[in-house]
Amino acid sequence: QSALTQPASVSGSPGQSITISCTGTSSDVGGYNYVSWYQQHPGKAPKLMIYEVSNRPSGVPDRFSGSKSGNTASLTISGLQAEDEADYYCSSYTSSSTQVFGGGTKLTVL
Amino acid sequence: QVQLQESGPGLVKPSETLSLTCTVSGGSISSYYWSWIRQPPGKGLEWIGYIYYSGSTNYNPSLKSRVTISVDTSKNQFSLKLSSVTAADTAVYYCARFANYYDSSGYSPYWYFDLWGRGTLVTVSS
Repeated sequence: QSALTQPASVSGSPGQSITISCTGTSSDVGGYNYVSWYQQHPGKAPKLMIYEVSNRPSGVPDRFSGSKSGNTASLTISGLQAEDEADYYCSSYTSSSTQVFGGGTKLTVL
Repeated sequence: QVQLQESGPGLVKPSETLSLTCTVSGGSISSYYWSWIRQPPGKGLEWIGYIYYSGSTNYNPSLKSRVTISVDTSKNQFSLKLSSVTAADTAVYYCARFANYYDSSGYSPYWYFDLWGRGTLVTVSS
């Protein structure tokens, strides 16, 4: 299985909005509403931010939102804050009942 | 609250077998799917495989020939064995839990990770 495709890096200023894309195939992202997003700060374990494309776990700010169109899912962070600076990974269920991650995106808050 | 803790040798020699255990504390291992995920230094996450508490498994096709995941419900633990390791297997290894739900069919997974261990670094070197 091939890793999902994410941009290596994105950046934005405090208060702005950014979007991170995650592109797969009809066998993963496009075929199921089982896309999730994880935030990872340096030296820490990943943290669930979005599940099933657009749902936020309890405790995750509503500045974080997710969507999907075809084979591409997206994570949008609005009202950027300094603490949002981290690596972000998408993940999807696949037609083989496996999981696949994206390559990760480094978010820099300018 | 439920916590996961990885344990095992931090250094493994090339061609040998990497063995790690994940201990589930504060809750039961039953009714959930459990996974191993790894992250080479400075790189992205790679899913290794999962096991259901009953013992059924599924693995990343790229690692399938070298991976075995097992469960010991009496100890509330599940384990990873990765054989014939090379330097490319050097990584932080995480254990994680798939969220689940219950309906008339029993327990089923939600396909996302709602709980992670802190991770443990395993270095492959002679």
